[in-house]
Amino acid sequence: NAGVTQTPKFRILKIGQSMTLQCAQDMNHNYMYWYRQDPGMGLKLIYYSVGAGITDKGEVPNGYNVSRSTTEDFPLRLELAAPSQTSVYFCASKRDRGGNTGELFFGEGSRLTVL
Amino acid sequence: GQQLNQSPQSMFIQEGEDVSMNCTSSSIFNTWLWYKQDPGEGPVLLIALYKAGELTSNGRLTAQFGITRKDSFLNISASIPSDVGIYFCAGQQQGAQKLVFGQGTRLTINP
Repeated sequence: NAGVTQTPKFRILKIGQSMTLQCAQDMNHNYMYWYRQDPGMGLKLIYYSVGAGITDKGEVPNGYNVSRSTTEDFPLRLELAAPSQTSVYFCASKRDRGGNTGELFFGEGSRLTVL
Repeated sequence: GQQLNQSPQSMFIQEGEDVSMNCTSSSIFNTWLWYKQDPGEGPVLLIALYKAGELTSNGRLTAQFGITRKDSFLNISASIPSDVGIYFCAGQQQGAQKLVFGQGTRLTINP
């Protein structure tokens, strides 16, 4: 089972460049999330989606954009890369199970360096 | 935003020792989860708790959903080198669409 797949795993960007981090899940999960993790720190929510066509901001959305055209894919776009966006980015998904919350499944991460 | 207070922030122990960590909040949560992150990897779910007072084990790991619904505990018995990593607690409130994460506990084991 592939689970949550993120690409690329590593990327170096110059200041002002743009790029898209890809995330795909094959578990038919309706909820998807993007987190960033700075060195030695916890997880901060950037954006999330509760289903195709629906997205919402998390704690730290500035400088990022997302779209959710299909259930499977949830790309994260950086329009004008800044050094402050150097981080490890994690995509995650879950299936909300009735009254209980489904567990989050994480991808392996995308390490982004902005120079 | 809402936060979970996770402690300790880091632990340095000898192989074979037991480990305890906890997560507290001023708010009530309906679900508590514990994740482990190995170096260079994404977090992986260890234990999920859905009822106040629930005590659940996964091998050498035991977690409890506090009776007040405002805290949770994770214990690791007889630690081994592969237990090294960062442990995160996470909680979700009734009807919420997002998890709230703790800051993590970094576990280091001396052989």
